[in-house]
Amino acid sequence: SQTIHQWPATLVQPVGSPLSLECTVEGTSNPNLYWYRQAAGRGLQLLFYSVGIGQISSEVPQNLSASRPQDRQFILSSKKLLLSDSGFYLCAWSRGLQYEQYFGPGTRLTVT
Amino acid sequence: AQSVTQPDIHITVSEGASLELRCNYSYGATPYLFWYVQSPGQGLQLLLKYFSGDTLVQGIKGFEAEFKRSQSSFNLRKPSVHWSDAAEYFCAVGAVRGGADGLTFGKGTHLIIQP
Repeated sequence: SQTIHQWPATLVQPVGSPLSLECTVEGTSNPNLYWYRQAAGRGLQLLFYSVGIGQISSEVPQNLSASRPQDRQFILSSKKLLLSDSGFYLCAWSRGLQYEQYFGPGTRLTVT
Repeated sequence: AQSVTQPDIHITVSEGASLELRCNYSYGATPYLFWYVQSPGQGLQLLLKYFSGDTLVQGIKGFEAEFKRSQSSFNLRKPSVHWSDAAEYFCAVGAVRGGADGLTFGKGTHLIIQP
């Protein structure tokens, strides 16, 4: 069966510090991978998605970036965090763009 | 481009009562449709999905949803809710449009269960 992991589970970072969130998927190959952000009391905002190694599509211009160094690894990064980057970050995978997505447990990021 | 509307931001239901959460979509062809549930501080869990065939689909935790093409709706139902059903519910539509970004999610409906 497939499993998706995210770490860390929670993170508190000062404004201006760098960020690296990691997501890995087990039990499948060549998945589509996604990063979402969920602000408090709000819906899901798609940040990035990837259909293959080194292929990243950005949905929202911001100071975040994503990379996919391996088939089942997806990393969300920032060089300098802003207060507005606080939120709940979710990683997901799917077997195709139109199919159901399976979500990880999320990372709660608080920028202070 | 596809879109999803969940008209109800909050819904309060008594424990044991029936539930219906509304979802309307906009898409030019037959969509793929999904319902997810999110408990506080957790990721989203897939409740059910519709791709084709029988328009009434059964999911986990006793939920079902009905696809109505004429109404562009995919409402989620449960005959009798339990206190553990209190959560955020998201409807989503999937459609491939040449490099599309995957699923489009509604803004969610927050379900409150009264004892």
